[in-house]
Amino acid sequence: EDQVTQSPEALRLQEGESSSLNCSYTVSGLRGLFWYRQDPGKGPEFLFTLYSAGEEKEKERLKATLTKKESFLHITAPKPEDSATYLCAVQARGGGATNKLIFGTGTLLAVQP
Amino acid sequence: GAVVSQHPSWVICKSGTSVKIECRSLDFQATTMFWYRQFPKQSLMLMATSNEGSKATYEQGVEKDKFLINHASLTLSTLTVTSAHPEDSSFYICSATHPGAPYEQYFGPGTRLTVT
Repeated sequence: EDQVTQSPEALRLQEGESSSLNCSYTVSGLRGLFWYRQDPGKGPEFLFTLYSAGEEKEKERLKATLTKKESFLHITAPKPEDSATYLCAVQARGGGATNKLIFGTGTLLAVQP
Repeated sequence: GAVVSQHPSWVICKSGTSVKIECRSLDFQATTMFWYRQFPKQSLMLMATSNEGSKATYEQGVEKDKFLINHASLTLSTLTVTSAHPEDSSFYICSATHPGAPYEQYFGPGTRLTVT
């Protein structure tokens, strides 16, 4: 069964304190791994797509990496505005044209000034 | 680009009534649209996948007669919660795929449904 596990469930950082969020996955053939940011009461905001092991993508203070078993979202020198829930999702090959995403439960990040 | 809107952003209805939620892709024609629900402090659970002009594909455990999905055009999908009950209270979110990036889903802002 395809599954996504995110850790930690919650993370509290001081402003400027870099850290990483983990997303472990088991999937019957990975088509893509996706990172989203979700603010309270809002829909998820697309951050990155990673398609193959070794791939890395960056956006401002965020950097996403991918291996065959997991992905990391590195946050460098975070600011309070980076506080949000970060969601990881995978899409499996062989799902036909449905492009279905399987989400993890997210990491709630709080950055204190 | 790839902006998705939902209407209404929140709705309160009485038990036994029906409520319709709209999902629109504003600046692109969506290949596929998806409907999710999210309970407090939980992740997104896919309810159904919808393609324009065809019947929606529902996930296991989702009642198709209760959650009616209509995908009348390439920019509009609607979710109707029929005979709503308090347990249907949730955050409903739609997403759409852009033809230029068919594997990426772009999400709407969500609709908070409260059934009293």
